[in-house]
Amino acid sequence: AQSVSQHNHHVILSEAASLELGCNYSYGGTVNLFWYVQYPGQHLQLLLKYFSGDPLVKGIKGFEAEFIKSKFSFNLRKPSVQWSDTAEYFCAVNAYTGKLIFGQGTTLQVKP
Amino acid sequence: NAGVTQTPKFQVLKTGQSMTLQCAQDMNHNSMYWYRQDPGMGLRLIYYSASEGTTDKGEVPNGYNVSRLNKREFSLRLESAAPSQTSVYFCASSDQFNYGYTFGSGTRLTVV
Repeated sequence: AQSVSQHNHHVILSEAASLELGCNYSYGGTVNLFWYVQYPGQHLQLLLKYFSGDPLVKGIKGFEAEFIKSKFSFNLRKPSVQWSDTAEYFCAVNAYTGKLIFGQGTTLQVKP
Repeated sequence: NAGVTQTPKFQVLKTGQSMTLQCAQDMNHNSMYWYRQDPGMGLRLIYYSASEGTTDKGEVPNGYNVSRLNKREFSLRLESAAPSQTSVYFCASSDQFNYGYTFGSGTRLTVV
């Protein structure tokens, strides 16, 4: 069965620090990969997605993610975080089954 | 406004009561999903419907039933609510290629 693992459950950073959130999945075939963000009290919003092509994907709000097929990873990065990036971040995988499987989520707290 | 609409937004039930969560999408999407979100566990798939007339179990289907009423609507029913079903429930829909998933704003359910 597919599974998605996010290594960091709770991350605390100061403003302007760099961010990297890890995501690994367990599926050997072709996958679509997603990162979602959930701001406090809100629903999920898509940050970025990867289907094919350039493994370095750029999303909204300065986020990017790199797909490394050999490592089954899709890590999220941002060079300089802001207080407004405080949120929960979810990695998700769809292996063409139609089902989007989520990781456990990472809570990011950015201190001003 | 285009998107996924969930009702109600909040609900408190007593143990043993039943209720139906409603979801409707106006994007002509084929597939619809119900997830539950619990702290530290991410979003877990309860049921999904790949197309009108079909439904399938996800990761955590016990205690729930679903109905794909038509292409637009996908309801989730709790026949006999239990405290373990206290959660935030999200409905989502996707196009036929699963390239884009759109989430509703969620239903916060408390079972006492």
